[in-house]
Amino acid sequence: NAGVTQTPKFQVLKTGQSMTLQCAQDMNHEYMSWYRQDPGMGLRLIHYSVGAGITDQGEVPNGYNVSRSTTEDFPLRLLSAAPSQTSVYFCASRDRESEQYFGPGTRLTVT
Amino acid sequence: AQRVTQPEKLLSVFKGAPVELKCNYSYSGSPELFWYVQYSRQRLQLLLRHISRESIKGFTADLNKGETSFHLKKPFAQEEDSAMYYCALKKTGGYQKVTFGTGTKLQVIP
Repeated sequence: NAGVTQTPKFQVLKTGQSMTLQCAQDMNHEYMSWYRQDPGMGLRLIHYSVGAGITDQGEVPNGYNVSRSTTEDFPLRLLSAAPSQTSVYFCASRDRESEQYFGPGTRLTVT
Repeated sequence: AQRVTQPEKLLSVFKGAPVELKCNYSYSGSPELFWYVQYSRQRLQLLLRHISRESIKGFTADLNKGETSFHLKKPFAQEEDSAMYYCALKKTGGYQKVTFGTGTKLQVIP
C-alpha cells in the first residue's frame, strides 16, 4: 500500500493564481481531511469528507474548495491564491476507529 | 467546543534527562487522545493513543480525566527524539472531529 500520497511536493504561485493540490489514499478509508500547518498555529482543519460525495468545512475553509467524487481522491482547490495561504498542507485519511494517516505534505509559497 | 492546549512551543533537554511534554484538553464528552510526532521534513505519524496504553520508543502517556491532561513522558531523552510533537483529541460520536494542539518542538541537546 502506498498509503496517503500528495502532489506536488512543492509549489510557488503568484497572487491570484489558482491550483489544485492532489491527495489520494489506497486504504479504503471513509474519512479524509485537509490541514494546513503554520508555525505557532499547529494543524488547522480546512475541509473534511466523511465519504464520497460528502464534504464539509473545517476551521479555516475560506479560499479553498474540495470535492470527493471517489473514495480514493480528495483534491483541494485554491481559487485565487493569496500570500496568507503560504503554508504546508497535509492530507490525512482514517476510518472510524483508526488514527489519522498523513500524506507527505505540500509546501506552498504564494508571492 | 473541544480544545487542545500545549503550553510549550519549545522544550530543550539534555540527552539522558527526563522529558515531559504537556497536553491539556477541554471536551465535555469522553474523548480519545493521541500523540503524533513529526521528524524533520517528514510526515506526521502516530506515536501513541491512550486506548492502547502502549509504550512506544520509550514514551508513555496517561489520560488523567480529573486534570484533563494527557502528558507525554520519557525517562531518558535520546537525540533521535528531537522532533515536533502534537497532541490530538478525537470526539466521540458523529464525524469524530480531530483537533490538534499547536505542537511542542522537542530539542535534545547532546
